[in-house]
Amino acid sequence: DAKTTQPNSMESNEEEPVHLPCNHSTISGTDYIHWYRQLPSQGPEYVIHGLTSNVNNRMASLAIAEDRKSSTLILHRATLRDAAVYYCILRDPSGTYKYIFGTGTRLKVLA
Amino acid sequence: GAGVSQSPSNKVTEKGKDVELRCDPISGHTALYWYRQSLGQGLEFLIYFQGNSAPDKSGLPSDRFSAERTGGSVSTLTIQRTQQEDSAVYLCASSLAGKRSFNEQFFGPGTRLTVL
Repeated sequence: DAKTTQPNSMESNEEEPVHLPCNHSTISGTDYIHWYRQLPSQGPEYVIHGLTSNVNNRMASLAIAEDRKSSTLILHRATLRDAAVYYCILRDPSGTYKYIFGTGTRLKVLA
Repeated sequence: GAGVSQSPSNKVTEKGKDVELRCDPISGHTALYWYRQSLGQGLEFLIYFQGNSAPDKSGLPSDRFSAERTGGSVSTLTIQRTQQEDSAVYLCASSLAGKRSFNEQFFGPGTRLTVL
């Protein structure tokens, strides 16, 4: 199974950019890279996804390495509401369409 | 619009009892997923339903766990003879379609199960 590796935790100051890394060295050619986040006491919510090119949306940007073995989620200006666990996920290449969530990165935003 | 709903929000049961957890997916979503999240841990995949296809049960931890999805909509996760290690938050998610590389999953608020 394709796996991802993320730091257990990160800290950021409010109003500053945050770069959340993810390694996925065994990614297959057709795997999409997805990011979800889980706010305290809530279910996860979708943040962004991409295949090869960098992606931007209203929540974040996703930078994907040229060899696709790593990616970075970028929050341009962290707010206190961005404090959450961020999950980098690859679609299971076995074809069953399930997603494998790791333990994610717990982001702490300091006021 | 209505999101994914789950009931009950909290369930406390005694060891050895059976429990049923319910998930109402977003209308029109053909794919439905169940996950388990133990305290301080990531999400553990349990089971996946897609339309009328046979479910992917590969994540169910034991034969005490079962799930069904009636009429392609509501799903029930049943845990028989509950054990203390079953205590966790059980999350349900639905998505428009499973057979695509991207299918955003919408999660419910979860059911917190405590087995005494």
